[in-house]
Amino acid sequence: DTAVSQTPKYLVTQMGNDKSIKCEQNLGHDTMYWYKQDSKKFLKIMFSYNNKELIINETVPNRFSPKSPDKAHLNLHINSLELGDSAVYFCASSQVGSYEQYFGPGTRLTVT
Amino acid sequence: GIQVEQSPPDLILQEGANSTLRCNFSDSVNNLQWFHQNPWGQLINLFYIPSGTKQNGRLSATTVATERYSLLYISSSQTTDSGVYFCAVEIQSGTYKYIFGTGTRLKVLA
Repeated sequence: DTAVSQTPKYLVTQMGNDKSIKCEQNLGHDTMYWYKQDSKKFLKIMFSYNNKELIINETVPNRFSPKSPDKAHLNLHINSLELGDSAVYFCASSQVGSYEQYFGPGTRLTVT
Repeated sequence: GIQVEQSPPDLILQEGANSTLRCNFSDSVNNLQWFHQNPWGQLINLFYIPSGTKQNGRLSATTVATERYSLLYISSSQTTDSGVYFCAVEIQSGTYKYIFGTGTRLKVLA
C-alpha cells in the first residue's frame, strides 16, 4: 500500500489556468506538508497542517491555497498559474512526537 | 534565517568506494533527517538523527548537534546509491518547519 500518494503525477497547463493537486496519506499521521522543488533541486516548505489546521504558510503567494478536508488529505489549489510555478510539488506527512517525514512521489507541474 | 549547507555539492565514485557527505547548519536545531532522492525523483527516508550515531546496512549517520553538523557515510557504494542526498533540519520543536540543505549529487559508476 502506498503510504503517501499524490495525483496527478504530471500536470501540464497554460498560464492563467487554475489547477489542483491532491494528496492522501494512510499512515495515520496528523501533520501534512507541501514542498516545492525548483529546477535546481532546491526544496522549500510551503505549508504545513496539523490536525487540519494551518501551521506554516511560508510567504507563498495567495494564489496558492491549501485545503485539508480531514487529517488524511491535504490538497493544493493554485489560481492563475504563472510560468514561475513550474516545479515539482511534494506532499509529506509526519506524526507529532516522531518528526520523521514521509514524502509522496511528487507532482511535476509545467506551465506553458 | 538558518543556513543549511551540504558538501560536496557533487561527487562521482567508482562502485565499491566509500564516501562521507556533510551537512552544516548555522544555528541550533531540534530535529535532523537525511533523505535520498533517487533518479526517479522519489524522496526516501534514510535516517532521523537529531544527535548520536545510527547505522542501517551500508549507510550510517552521525550528528554532533553541539558543533552543528551531521555526516552521512556510504560504504561499498553501489550504482543504486546514485541520486541526490539531502539533510533537513527543524529549527524549533513543534514548528513543523523543516529547512532543507543544498544537497549532494552523487553518481556511482559501474
